[in-house]
Amino acid sequence: KAGVTQTPRYLIKTRGQQVTLSCSPISGHRSVSWYQQTPGQGLQFLFEYFSETQRNKGNFPGRFSGRQFSNSRSEMNVSTLELGDSALYLCASSLDRPSGEQFFGPGTRLTVL
Amino acid sequence: TQLLEQSPQFLSIQEGENLTVYCNSSSVFSSLQWYRQEPGEGPVLLVTVVTGGEVKKLKRLTFQFGDARKDSSLHITAAQPGDTGLYLCAGGRGNQFYFGTGTSLTVIP
Repeated sequence: KAGVTQTPRYLIKTRGQQVTLSCSPISGHRSVSWYQQTPGQGLQFLFEYFSETQRNKGNFPGRFSGRQFSNSRSEMNVSTLELGDSALYLCASSLDRPSGEQFFGPGTRLTVL
Repeated sequence: TQLLEQSPQFLSIQEGENLTVYCNSSSVFSSLQWYRQEPGEGPVLLVTVVTGGEVKKLKRLTFQFGDARKDSSLHITAAQPGDTGLYLCAGGRGNQFYFGTGTSLTVIP
């Protein structure tokens, strides 16, 4: 069974631009969660989607948004990029709820210049 | 304030030594996972514990879930350089998933 895939792996943007990251969960997994990881803050929860609906949301500004498609694939979007948005963005999938086992993708390394 | 606190934050040991990493909280969790993450990669699930007092072994790694399901420990016997990485505990409560602060382990050959 294929694991969680994320595209792209690396991304360089400038301040003010927007970016869209993609995540394909493990086949059969319906819950997809997104996390931001930085050296100073560790792993911070962004949001979780289940059956195309945002079920949980972390404490991030509205510039961070996401969606999930009928095939459970998910995208997250960050608008008006700031230098502080530079981070590793991780996607994790689980069968039905994130409090069970989560499986992570390799992440997208976003650098904002 | 982090819901799950890990200690120590950093650990540097010689190959062959034993070590224990702790994951503590004042909250009860329905399950707790341990992950290992290497630089630039996503965390890889090592183990899930769900029952208070549960002990699981994975080769040289021993994981324990506290009786009250508020804390956990990871013990590594005879550490090897391949054990180097960031160890993260994570706990599930309802539909929420919380990560610990992380322990960065370096095993020196």
